[in-house]
Amino acid sequence: DTGVSQDPRHKITKRGQNVTFRCDPISEHNRLYWYRQTLGQGPEFLTYFQNEAQLEKSRLLSDRFSAERPKGSFSTLEIQRTEQGDSAMYLCASSLAQTGPTEPQHFGDGTRLSIL
Amino acid sequence: GQNIDQPTEMTATEGAIVQINCTYQTSGFNGLFWYQQHAGEAPTFLSYNVLDGLEEKGRFSSFLSRSKGYSYLLLKELQMKDSASYLCAVTPRGSYIPTFGRGTSLIVHP
Repeated sequence: DTGVSQDPRHKITKRGQNVTFRCDPISEHNRLYWYRQTLGQGPEFLTYFQNEAQLEKSRLLSDRFSAERPKGSFSTLEIQRTEQGDSAMYLCASSLAQTGPTEPQHFGDGTRLSIL
Repeated sequence: GQNIDQPTEMTATEGAIVQINCTYQTSGFNGLFWYQQHAGEAPTFLSYNVLDGLEEKGRFSSFLSRSKGYSYLLLKELQMKDSASYLCAVTPRGSYIPTFGRGTSLIVHP
């Protein structure tokens, strides 16, 4: 099964540390999205790439957050100087741009971040 | 921006039918998605509506009324494995980014 994969599945770190997550989308998908989800909430949009270009960033994405997709394939999301409020599930999704916004997103299982 | 409202929790009996409603207010409209999410797992795509009417896919159907800003997901012949969170997501005009509601936690009991 070549679905969306994320690594690591779980990350526990102390406040103030930097963390980096990786997402490998479905290979033929050119759109890649990062979301954050907390308990009892739906996924909140963070940022979006089409190929290697980062086309949109949410206001939720403070300057401590940075995302890259250097070759238009895998993507990384880095959080610097982590805070308690960063504890959440970080979801990656990918889709294939064919007919515009109608294509469904395929989600990975997420990286659960816990800040001590 | 988008405002999406769906009930927080619903319960239903195995074998029954349940309807999960979603209302939205958005600046323009490009489509509405329904996703299923089991606890600790990724959301998985269920349905997509862009025109008014009913889309049927097996035990699951989704309805859209754009003039009313309203959709529902209908689940028939409920099974225990249908216990999950059901997420309504709306894509505004000119965007590729769906905005998700908080999700409706469905509990199916015997």
